[in-house]
Amino acid sequence: NAGVTQTPKFRVLKTGQSMTLLCAQDMNHEYMYWYRQDPGMGLRLIHYSVGEGTTAKGEVPDGYNVSRLKKQNFLLGLESAAPSQTSVYFCASRSMWTDTQYFGPGTRLTVL
Amino acid sequence: GQQVMQIPQYQHVQEGEDFTTYCNSSTTLSNIQWYKQRPGGHPVFLIQLVKSGEVKKQKRLTFQFGEAKKNSSLHITATQTTDVGTYFCAGRKLTGGGNKLTFGTGTQLKVEL
Repeated sequence: NAGVTQTPKFRVLKTGQSMTLLCAQDMNHEYMYWYRQDPGMGLRLIHYSVGEGTTAKGEVPDGYNVSRLKKQNFLLGLESAAPSQTSVYFCASRSMWTDTQYFGPGTRLTVL
Repeated sequence: GQQVMQIPQYQHVQEGEDFTTYCNSSTTLSNIQWYKQRPGGHPVFLIQLVKSGEVKKQKRLTFQFGEAKKNSSLHITATQTTDVGTYFCAGRKLTGGGNKLTFGTGTQLKVEL
């Protein structure tokens, strides 16, 4: 039982490049979330999903897209990376019966 | 939109001293959760409070939820080096909160020997 996993752990991009971050959970959770964490700003919600095939915008969705084709996976895409997207990205999941969120280990992204 | 502020942003204590972080929401919450993030790690759930005025304890940690369900606090008695990390509160809006939590800005605790 791995919980929530994220790949990759680290990535360096040049401005304008694209990439996809993968989040996988093996707890059969319905809800999944993508957050970014920047110094002094806590965790800010980018996008989330309440079930397979559904996604919704969070607090800071601009510049990101997401997909939830399978219940266990939640992908975060950056189509054209910008230096302002340099951050640590966390994925989280939870069941429909509780608000408790389980976080992955994070992806540290640097955009040059 | 909903804002959740935490104070202080940083706290540096000597081992054995007490520590308190405060969480304030601009809107009424249905519940509040606390998470701890060790340096280089990810947030880990500590506890959830639901009732107005609720107080819960976990060993040296005491959590309170305000009567108006807009604020909360975490108090650590006699800090240890294992308490080092950033503590976040997270709340769900009472009305229109949907399936989202709003996280506070966090309090980073450092403990010196």
